[in-house]
Order: sequence, then C-alpha cells, then structure tokens
Amino acid sequence: DIQMTQSPSSLSASVGDRVTITCRASQGINNYLVWFQQKPGKAPKSLIYAASSLQSGVPSKFSGSGSGTDFTLTISSLQPEDFATYYCQQYNSYPITFGQGTRLEIK
Amino acid sequence: EVHLVESGGGLVQPGGSLRVSCAASGFTFSDHYMDWVRQAPGKGLEWVGRTRKKVNGYTTEYAASVKGRFTISRDDSKNSLYLQMNSLKTEDTAVYYCARVTVVGGHYYMDVWGKGTTVTVSS
Repeated sequence: DIQMTQSPSSLSASVGDRVTITCRASQGINNYLVWFQQKPGKAPKSLIYAASSLQSGVPSKFSGSGSGTDFTLTISSLQPEDFATYYCQQYNSYPITFGQGTRLEIK
Repeated sequence: EVHLVESGGGLVQPGGSLRVSCAASGFTFSDHYMDWVRQAPGKGLEWVGRTRKKVNGYTTEYAASVKGRFTISRDDSKNSLYLQMNSLKTEDTAVYYCARVTVVGGHYYMDVWGKGTTVTVSS
C-alpha cells in the first residue's frame, strides 16, 4: 500500500497569512493526488485534483503542485472560513489512501 | 444540484450486520463509479471501497480491513448505492460517507460527498 504522510500535522496561522502543507507518498504516484478540506461535523470537500488542477467553484487562493512523491497545497490570504483540516489522497493505485490530515488553526 | 444522502446507520452489536444506503440525485448515477469512505470518531479518512459502472461489469475494490466482510452494490434504476456490512467489529464504528467518482483526463477522483451516516458497533 502507498503511505501518504502530511506535514505538519497541525499548523497555527493568522488571518491574511499564506500557508503551505506538504504531502509525501511512499512511492511515486505521478500526479494522481487530490486535496480535500474538511470542517468539523461536515463532509470533505474536494479542492484540487491531478495535484494542481482547481476543482470547479474553488477559489484561486488554493493551489497545488508536485509530481512523483512530493506535493504541496498552498493557501494564500487566509480567511476565517479556511481554518479546517486538510487531507491529501492518492488515487494512483488501490487501495486508495489518505494522509493523516493537517489541522489548520487560527493563531 | 448534485446530492448524495446516506441513510441506514445505527447501533449494532459486534458480529452483527447492517446495510447503509446512499441516494443520489442531480446527475446521471449510472455514469459514475461510486465510493464509500469512513471516518472513525476523532480520526482521519479511510477509503472503504469502490464500485465501477455497468460497462465495467460493476466490479468492486475493497480496503483490506473490510474485504470479505463488506459488500458494495448499486441499483442504477433507483439511483442508489449500498454498503452491506457483516461480521461488524467495534473498530468499524465510524461515519460512513458515499462519494461520487468523476473522471477528468484519466483522473478518477471523489468530487462530491454525502453528509454521512453514523454506524456504532457496541454491545
């Protein structure tokens, strides 16, 4: 199975900041990676697919990059609604696997 | 508007069975693969399994943790997805989400999720 490791596990930031979350795959996954945002008590929401393509309706403040084993999600100009938990997920091969999540908190 | 609504969750004893359902609307259900994903209390997301569509023979994939105990099925005439869970264990306690799989340029990813249904396995 492909292991997905996110860093950091938690992150404190202020409104207006720019933050970057990293996701590393235990083996190459090309660009078969998606990023999700999840707020407490809510279902996950897809943000980025194919590592860098913005899901329809998602603001351009979210951006993704990477290929192979190393990927990043960047969120610019943080707003209160952006504070949530973010997950990466690989869909290169079965079983589909998720990172452990990165909790983004308000400083 | 695309909607997925899960139902059928509840309390079940260890070793018991439960079937949860997912009702789809707002899109052509039969055109999509569908997934189940679960989230144990306070934990991260875990993929449970996938069903492909008719042209792919409705074939399925499962996580090792549920293979042989869980069965995913679908009824395209009812726009519904099902998860039959047998031999339930306490570690199966989770919110179960159904998710639509969409395809863009060869990328099969979950783009729409339901709100989830809670399954609690406890004596």
